[in-house]
Amino acid sequence: QVQLQESGPGLVKPSQTLSLTCTVSGGSITSGSYYWSWIRQPAGKGLEWVGRIYSSGSTNYNPSLKSRVTISVDTSKNQFSLNLSSVTAADTAVYYCARAEGGSYLVYWGQGTLVTVSS
Amino acid sequence: EIVLTQSPATLSLSPGERATLSCRASQSVSSYLAWYQQKPGQAPRLLIYDASNRATGIPARFSGSGSGTDFTLTISSLEPEDFAVYYCQQRSNWPHTFGQGTKLEIK
Repeated sequence: QVQLQESGPGLVKPSQTLSLTCTVSGGSITSGSYYWSWIRQPAGKGLEWVGRIYSSGSTNYNPSLKSRVTISVDTSKNQFSLNLSSVTAADTAVYYCARAEGGSYLVYWGQGTLVTVSS
Repeated sequence: EIVLTQSPATLSLSPGERATLSCRASQSVSSYLAWYQQKPGQAPRLLIYDASNRATGIPARFSGSGSGTDFTLTISSLEPEDFAVYYCQQRSNWPHTFGQGTKLEIK
C-alpha cells in the first residue's frame, strides 16, 4: 500500500521560500506512470492543484503560481519536494502531497501539513 | 482555465434519503471528471473517476453520470458516514481544477 507523508516548517515568514518534502513508502517513486502532485487548501476553502512532476521528471505548474513554484524529485530518498518562493499570507494553507494516476486522478494522499505565512 | 461550479453549496438531507449533487464545467471536459469526498481534518478521497467509474473500495450507493459540461454525483441512500464535503475535479485541461464543493449535512 502506497503511503505519502509531508514534512517541513509549519511557519514561514513573508517573502521567504516555503519548502516541503513528501516521502513515499510502499513503492518506488520512479516506477509506474504517475504524477506526483502538490495540492493546497486554505482553511475553510476549496482545493487548488499547485503542480505535479511526472515519473519521467517533466513538470506542470499552475499558471497562477508558475513563476514561484518548483517541484523536484530525489529518487535516492524516494521523495519529491515543493518550493514556493516569495510567499505571502495568501499562501497559508494545508498542503497535501498526492499521487495521481489513471490520467491524473488523485488516488493516494498524504495527511496534509498546515503552513502558515506570518512574521 | 476551466471553472467548475457545484450546486447546491449546501444540501441538507436525512440518512436513508437520496442525494443528488451537480457539477457544471465552463467548457466541455468530455468524461474527464472525478468526484472526491472530504471529511473534517482528512485528505480528500477519490470516489468516482472518468465521470461514472467507482474507485476501488467505493460502495455501490455512489454513482456518477454526465459528460461534456454537466455532471451528477448520486448517493442512493445516505449513510451517516456520507455527510461530508464533495468536490468535483476535471483533468481535461491543465491546470486541473476543482469545484468549490458541496457540503452535505444532516437535516
